[in-house]
Amino acid sequence: GAVVSQHPSRVICKSGTSVKIECRSLDFQATTMFWYRQFPKQSLMLMATSNEGSKATYEQGVEKDKFLINHASLTLSTLTVTSAHPEDSSFYICSARPQDILSYEQYFGPGTRLTVT
Amino acid sequence: AQSVAQPEDQVNVAEGNPLTVKCTYSVSGNPYLFWYVQYPNRGLQFLLKYITGDNLVKGSYGFEAEFNKSQTSFHLKKPSALVSDSALYFCAVRLSSRGYSTLTFGKGTMLLVSP
Repeated sequence: GAVVSQHPSRVICKSGTSVKIECRSLDFQATTMFWYRQFPKQSLMLMATSNEGSKATYEQGVEKDKFLINHASLTLSTLTVTSAHPEDSSFYICSARPQDILSYEQYFGPGTRLTVT
Repeated sequence: AQSVAQPEDQVNVAEGNPLTVKCTYSVSGNPYLFWYVQYPNRGLQFLLKYITGDNLVKGSYGFEAEFNKSQTSFHLKKPSALVSDSALYFCAVRLSSRGYSTLTFGKGTMLLVSP
């Protein structure tokens, strides 16, 4: 089956620093990747959609200058949380949609737990 | 706009009993419907989907779901629950139109199966 990895799985950083999270599709090419944020015991909130080779589309209320998304290749998207604050602490999940235009599904990564101290 | 409602925050069931996790949706058009399961500190695992065809969809781990267009529902069911089924379950919907559309998730339902 289609596998999506995320790295790191867990990261702790100090307030004011930046942290990068990688999302990779391991056995398929993904034209589109999605980044979600999940607070404890809550649903996934879509942050942004990235398409390979173009700028990401951010959902309303998400600061694009704070959450930098790069989709440099068909198998890699990165999310950089800049000048992190404790309120950015959350569980970040990426997903990838295969390049096949008829694909109905998104495959989810295992998530990255970010803690900002 | 599309939305998903999971009316129950938590469902409790005894092992061996049937379980149902409810989901209703709202979408302007034909929906694609999905169920995912999440274990603690893990990403989402795909359970099953409805795209078209038979209203009863069978998925992973013995789960199934029934698409009911008139009631705009897509309830998740399993005939006999296992303790290992205890997890957080999400229903999701997206439009079936060609091209790009995003998944919208319900708020999730915690399933607790007691021994």
